[in-house]
Amino acid sequence: AQKVTQAQTEISVVEKEDVTLDCVYETRDTTYYLFWYKQPPSGELVFLIRRNSFDEQNEISGRYSWNFQKSTSSFNFTITASQVVDSAVYFCALSEADSSASKIIFGSGTRLSIRP
Amino acid sequence: ETGVTQTPRHLVMGMTNKKSLKCEQHLGHNAMYWYKQSAKKPLELMFVYNFKEQTENNSVPSRFSPECPNSSHLFLHLHTLQPEDSALYLCASSQDPLIRQENTEAFFGQGTRLTVV
Repeated sequence: AQKVTQAQTEISVVEKEDVTLDCVYETRDTTYYLFWYKQPPSGELVFLIRRNSFDEQNEISGRYSWNFQKSTSSFNFTITASQVVDSAVYFCALSEADSSASKIIFGSGTRLSIRP
Repeated sequence: ETGVTQTPRHLVMGMTNKKSLKCEQHLGHNAMYWYKQSAKKPLELMFVYNFKEQTENNSVPSRFSPECPNSSHLFLHLHTLQPEDSALYLCASSQDPLIRQENTEAFFGQGTRLTVV
C-alpha cells in the first residue's frame, strides 16, 4: 500500500530564512511518481514538481529545491530565502504507475508560515 | 477556458437537500478525481474515474454519488448529507501513466466549499 508522511504539521520561520519540508513515502512499486503541491489560502492546489522514481537527480528551480533519496524513501523540499508569499500548506504526494489510473495519495500537509 | 473548473465555488445546503457539484477539464486528460479536504485533515481521495469508468471508490458513503458522462466532465451528486460532510471538495484530472509516462501530475480545480446545515 502507498503512504506519504509529512511529519511537520506546522512550520513558522522569519522571512529570508531557509526552510526544509520533509516527506517520507512508502510504496511496493518500483515505478512511481512523487509530487509537491502548494495550497495557498485561495484553496486551489498548485503543482510544483514531479519526480520519476528512476530519476534521483536533485532539482533546483529558483528558490525551490528538491532532494530525492530512494535509500531513505524521502523527497524533501527546501525553500531558500523564504518570502511571505511562500506562506501556504504544502503537500507531498505519491502515485504508483502500475495502476490503470494514477491514484495520487497525499500526505497530511505542512502549514508553512513566513513572518515578515 | 483552460484547466480544471469547478462549480459552484460555494454551496450551503440543508440535510434534506439534493445538490450536485460539477467539474470540467479542458486538458485532454482521461483520469478525473474527487478529493475531500476537511479542516485539519489530509486530502482524502474519494473517487477515481479513468476513461469514464470508476476505478476507485474509497469506501465513500452512498449519500455521495459520482457521475462521469465523458472524460471531460465529472459530477458529484449529494443527498441527505450530514454536517460532518462540510468540507472543501476538490476535483482533479491527470493523464494515465500507462498511456503517457510523463505529465502524470494532477491538476486541480479551485474547489467547492460545501457547508451542510
